[in-house]
Amino acid sequence: AQSVAQPEDQVNVAEGNPLTVKCTYSVSGNPYLFWYVQYPNRGLQFLLKYITGDNLVKGSYGFEAEFNKSQTSFHLKKPSALVSDSALYFCAGVTGGGNKLTFGTGTQLKVEL
Amino acid sequence: GAVVSQHPSRVICKSGTSVKIECRSLDFQATTMFWYRQFPKKSLMLMATSNEGSKATYEQGVEKDKFLINHASLTLSTLTVTSAHPEDSSFYICSGKFAYEQYFGPGTRLTVT
Repeated sequence: AQSVAQPEDQVNVAEGNPLTVKCTYSVSGNPYLFWYVQYPNRGLQFLLKYITGDNLVKGSYGFEAEFNKSQTSFHLKKPSALVSDSALYFCAGVTGGGNKLTFGTGTQLKVEL
Repeated sequence: GAVVSQHPSRVICKSGTSVKIECRSLDFQATTMFWYRQFPKKSLMLMATSNEGSKATYEQGVEKDKFLINHASLTLSTLTVTSAHPEDSSFYICSGKFAYEQYFGPGTRLTVT
């Protein structure tokens, strides 16, 4: 069975500080992993993906994520948070070649001044 | 990038009526489209997978007679909520699959009064 876990419902960080949003996965085969961001009453916006290759993936808006096979993790990071980064973040995964994305439960990021 | 639109963005309907939501891939052909439902501050729940020219595959617990899905062309899928009730009020999001990625629409807020 495939699963993606986001252990934190909410993450609070001060503007300018680094942020991390955690994600672990349990996906059979070679995982394709994604991060999406959702602003209120909006659809999901793609941030970045890991398919193969370098474990460190750089994405939109200064976000990056590191694929760690031994820890089955794909944490989202940003060196310096902005208030405008406050949103709901979803990690998702699928087995390579598979059809259905499995989503984590989402993490609400709140960046405060 | 690949763009998916949804129409309408918001709809209010009376209990017992039906409402149709359109999902269009604007700049790519999506042989597979997905319909999700999202409750407030919750993750996305996959309702069904829609393949062009064939019947949709519904997830367990989703009533196929209530949530009618049609995928008549490579760029259009529709979700019709039949005989809507207040408990059907939700945020509905579609996505189109291209290669190994899904591209999400902006969502439709359905309110049933």
